[in-house]
Amino acid sequence: GAVVSQHPSRVICKSGTSVKIECRSLDFQATTMFWYRQFPKQSLMLMATSNEGSKATYEQGVEKDKFLINHASLTLSTLTVTSAHPEDSSFYICSARDMRSGDSYEQYFGPGTRLTVT
Amino acid sequence: GQNIDQPTEMTATEGAIVQINCTYQTSGFNGLFWYQQHAGEAPTFLSYNVLDGLEEKGRFSSFLSRSKGYSYLLLKELQMKDSASYLCAVRDSNYQLIWGAGTKLIIKP
Repeated sequence: GAVVSQHPSRVICKSGTSVKIECRSLDFQATTMFWYRQFPKQSLMLMATSNEGSKATYEQGVEKDKFLINHASLTLSTLTVTSAHPEDSSFYICSARDMRSGDSYEQYFGPGTRLTVT
Repeated sequence: GQNIDQPTEMTATEGAIVQINCTYQTSGFNGLFWYQQHAGEAPTFLSYNVLDGLEEKGRFSSFLSRSKGYSYLLLKELQMKDSASYLCAVRDSNYQLIWGAGTKLIIKP
């Protein structure tokens, strides 16, 4: 159990366009989902914490108007990169917290989305 | 500030044992996680420690000393497939995960 999917796995878009990435928890309910960005050979950088039914909490330095997050249900969160630029090219990973994991609040990661902006 | 330190890269031999250390300084402590990440893939959960001591799970063990702000991940009977990056992450007082930069482990035959 505890599977998280992301779609698409890879996307190439032109500069100035918008891209939507979906994150789904397939067999559990996730009241909280996290969006990370990872540049090559670097660690994960938390972009925002998404709570179902409320506005996302963005980390310092992350533009909320550029990275739109919607967590409309207990199994789906979306990240939309608006007006993408080449510097937005990165590996975007979502994770979901499974409330069944008790105190550990283990996070399960999606497989990631490789975004390339040309 | 919050800081997690782990070696950038380690090399070990197939069949051997390797210990990857992690030291941390965070605002509060609510558990420490180890994740494995193969190149181009998302991290996968390995272990969770919240109390001092050793947690063993098959070939992998994780140790925590809260007073020293220290943890290690021990990998036994190394296999070639263990070549990956190993990420240490600490959950702070706000239940946010603070990530280390990861240790790239290279396994040689």
